[in-house]
Amino acid sequence: QKEVEQNSGPLSVPEGAIASLNCTYSDRGSQSFFWYRQYSGKSPELIMSIYSNGDKEDGRFTAQLNKASQYVSLLIRDSQPSDSATYLCAVNPSGAGSYQLTFGKGTKLSVIP
Amino acid sequence: DVKVTQSSRYLVKRTGEKVFLECVQDMDHENMFWYRQDPGLGLRLIYFSYDVKMKEKGDIPEGYSVSREKKERFSLILESASTNQTSMYLCATWTSLGFADTQYFGPGTRLTVL
Repeated sequence: QKEVEQNSGPLSVPEGAIASLNCTYSDRGSQSFFWYRQYSGKSPELIMSIYSNGDKEDGRFTAQLNKASQYVSLLIRDSQPSDSATYLCAVNPSGAGSYQLTFGKGTKLSVIP
Repeated sequence: DVKVTQSSRYLVKRTGEKVFLECVQDMDHENMFWYRQDPGLGLRLIYFSYDVKMKEKGDIPEGYSVSREKKERFSLILESASTNQTSMYLCATWTSLGFADTQYFGPGTRLTVL
């Protein structure tokens, strides 16, 4: 069973701080990794993708990937109350023609004003 | 822009009713997915389709069926709704037209079965 694990939280950070969200995955052959943000009652929205080891930055968001450790993280700098949401880590598992994603259960982030 | 629409945002049905949830995508992609999402259980794949009239069971297909008669439309059918099917239902399509090759979701349907 290919699995993606996340701490469920809630993770509480003060406004302006850095929020760090972590994810581990079991399928060593995975090649594509994604972070989705989901506000309460809404559907998941893609915010970051990463395919290579290292860091990828987009505005206040940085995704980090370490394939050797099977570890993906998302850093949110200068956290804002509007960042309060559940963040889902998703992995495209190895396998021929796979358009499927394996999702973690999500980490709930609360940014305190 | 990626566009996935679902027929209803909120739906209330009675136990035993036949329920149709529809999803339409304009990405012209072969792959479409139906998930349900429940607190503490995360996203669970019900069915997916990789082409017209083609379907594959996901992790929790029991009590559900699907229909894919046209490329852009993927329907989820609850043959006889039960209270344990009360959930948020999410449709997704794979596309290469967004800022990454991945799944993009519709707005979801919150289904309540009484």
